[in-house]
Amino acid sequence: SQQGEEDPQALSIQEGENATMNCSYKTSINNLQWYRQNSGRGLVHLILIRSNEREKHSGRLRVTLDTSKKSSSLLITASRAADTASYFCATAPLTQGGSEKLVFGKGMKLTVNP
Amino acid sequence: SQTIHQWPATLVQPVGSPLSLECTVEGTSNPNLYWYRQAAGRGLQLLFYSVGIGQISSEVPQNLSASRPQDRQFILSSKKLLLSDSGFYLCAWSGRARFLYEQYFGPGTRLTVT
Repeated sequence: SQQGEEDPQALSIQEGENATMNCSYKTSINNLQWYRQNSGRGLVHLILIRSNEREKHSGRLRVTLDTSKKSSSLLITASRAADTASYFCATAPLTQGGSEKLVFGKGMKLTVNP
Repeated sequence: SQTIHQWPATLVQPVGSPLSLECTVEGTSNPNLYWYRQAAGRGLQLLFYSVGIGQISSEVPQNLSASRPQDRQFILSSKKLLLSDSGFYLCAWSGRARFLYEQYFGPGTRLTVT
């Protein structure tokens, strides 16, 4: 089954509003990451939060992680039309020998209307 | 700085024809390399990954194969394409670490099998 599940699957907001996306996962993790994908392009890494961190900021991005609930949220403040994209969470599973793979969610489509 | 190249950008191939997609990375050594496929409006499916020359791990049984003939070159191949092979193929690299941190993606190849 999919490790990361973003919620909602699609979100449409007005420019200037905040956008919140949620991600749930099933297994223990070493870290959780968020990526952005513009239409027809490759993914771009946005932010990484480690399992021992609860909150992290980068510019207009704020990520929280609740390992007890196995969930994370990505907040984009003061959204812009250029933030229109698909957003993916990805987890690095915590396995004894380490992990060379990320498990991606299905993604969430954010539309920011000017 | 590191860059990742994929080609071709788009490809239209008939069913039963062979396939060869190439990915090269510049500016880094000993990267982990990954091939993903993304169906329309869907998440990423990990197809293959490699932690070194000649070392290929397959995630999904299918009619695709991968090879890593050089440290920074990753090739995705098929002897006979199926309609279901259509999709957006993404190559990615990451640095070596016990747990996977950021991945860096190429621009992708849009494959349409007719």
